[in-house]
Amino acid sequence: QLQLQESGPGLVKPSETLSLTCTVSGGSVSSSSYYWGWIRQPPGKGLEWIGSIYYTGTTYYNPSLKSRVTISKDTSKNQFSLRLSSVTAADTAVYYCARDFTVATYAFDIWGQGTMVSVSS
Amino acid sequence: EIVLTQSPATLSLSPGERATLSCRASQSVSSYLAWYQHKPGQAPRLLIYEASSRATGIPARFSGSGSGTDFALTISSLEPEDFAVYYCQHRSNWPITFGQGTRLEIK
Repeated sequence: QLQLQESGPGLVKPSETLSLTCTVSGGSVSSSSYYWGWIRQPPGKGLEWIGSIYYTGTTYYNPSLKSRVTISKDTSKNQFSLRLSSVTAADTAVYYCARDFTVATYAFDIWGQGTMVSVSS
Repeated sequence: EIVLTQSPATLSLSPGERATLSCRASQSVSSYLAWYQHKPGQAPRLLIYEASSRATGIPARFSGSGSGTDFALTISSLEPEDFAVYYCQHRSNWPITFGQGTRLEIK
């Protein structure tokens, strides 16, 4: 049973870089069947897709965040990561990592539990 | 970027009633449309993928329909655990977008 687990600081200062990691267990980030994505939900708001990475390393980003976002993967650790630079209070949110089963469901079928990140000095 | 518009924003119904939630896309997404259920403190749960296919373990009271630009999620008879926020999401091209959500509340 594949599981995803987000990890990283729960508090980031304004203008600094938010860094989160998603550890994949029971599956492989090297599989050609999946994209691996990051989604967030600011307090009181809806879900926002941040970006996704394929096993080849190809990435796709939300245009509204593209200038600040980097998603990467570490095959040896079976992890993928999110970096969001120059954060402001508007980046305060629950951040989820998720699997996009691109060859079957074309949807995020497995999600991590989510991690709350607050941006504050 | 494809914009997904969900309606209504809030739907107030009683257990046992039928719920119909709508999602309209600003351009065709073919059948690459998914629905999620989201409860406070939990991760979103995939209900429907490719517009009408139920995800693993999803009860038969949940059904999806539509193609192109107009989609619907129907819950045939509401159970107490069905009251939550529901999102649609397309996967027809990049960037992926979500609808703004429909809150299904107990009347």
